[in-house]
Amino acid sequence: NAGVTQTPKFQVLKTGQSMTLQCAQDMNHEYMSWYRQDPGMGLRLIHYSVGAGITDQGEVPNGYNVSRSTTEDFPLRLLSAAPSQTSVYFCASSYLVRGGVSTPLHFGNGTRLTVT
Amino acid sequence: KNEVEQSPQNLTAQEGEFITINCSYSVGISALHWLQQHPGGGIVSLFMLSSGKKKHGRLIATINIQEKHSSLHITASHPRDSAVYICAVLGRGGSEKLVFGKGTKLTVNP
Repeated sequence: NAGVTQTPKFQVLKTGQSMTLQCAQDMNHEYMSWYRQDPGMGLRLIHYSVGAGITDQGEVPNGYNVSRSTTEDFPLRLLSAAPSQTSVYFCASSYLVRGGVSTPLHFGNGTRLTVT
Repeated sequence: KNEVEQSPQNLTAQEGEFITINCSYSVGISALHWLQQHPGGGIVSLFMLSSGKKKHGRLIATINIQEKHSSLHITASHPRDSAVYICAVLGRGGSEKLVFGKGTKLTVNP
């Protein structure tokens, strides 16, 4: 049982390049989400999904794209990387209870992204 | 003003001390999460609560919905408790959007 698998662990991009951060879970969780963590800012929600084919924006969605074609996978795409996207990115998943995230969140190990 | 405020920002304690970390929020919520982020960066869910009190080992979490306040207590603290503790709230009506506090960095010295 792998839990939430996030790849890569580290990535360096040049401004304007695109890339995809991968997130996969094997717990059959309906809810999956992406966060970025910046010094002094705490975790901020980028995008989330409550099931295959359903995605929605969080607090800081600009510059990022997501899709949820399967229950297991929720990739985050950076369309044209900018230095402001330098951050640590976390994926998390959970069951949904009564339509809300009311069960513990399971986090991936994070991706440290640097955009030069 | 952040919707979720944690205090203190930094906390240093001696091994064995009783620790309290506070979380206040400004909106009505359906649930509150306490998370622990290890020095290596990994994040673990400690508690999810919507009322009352929960206990797991030396960790106790309480919430007062009327006062919009939650506390995380650590009894008999140990250096391995050193971590960042993060509070996150979930809005009413089954919202899927978690809003996070900035975290409390705890250092427990031997």
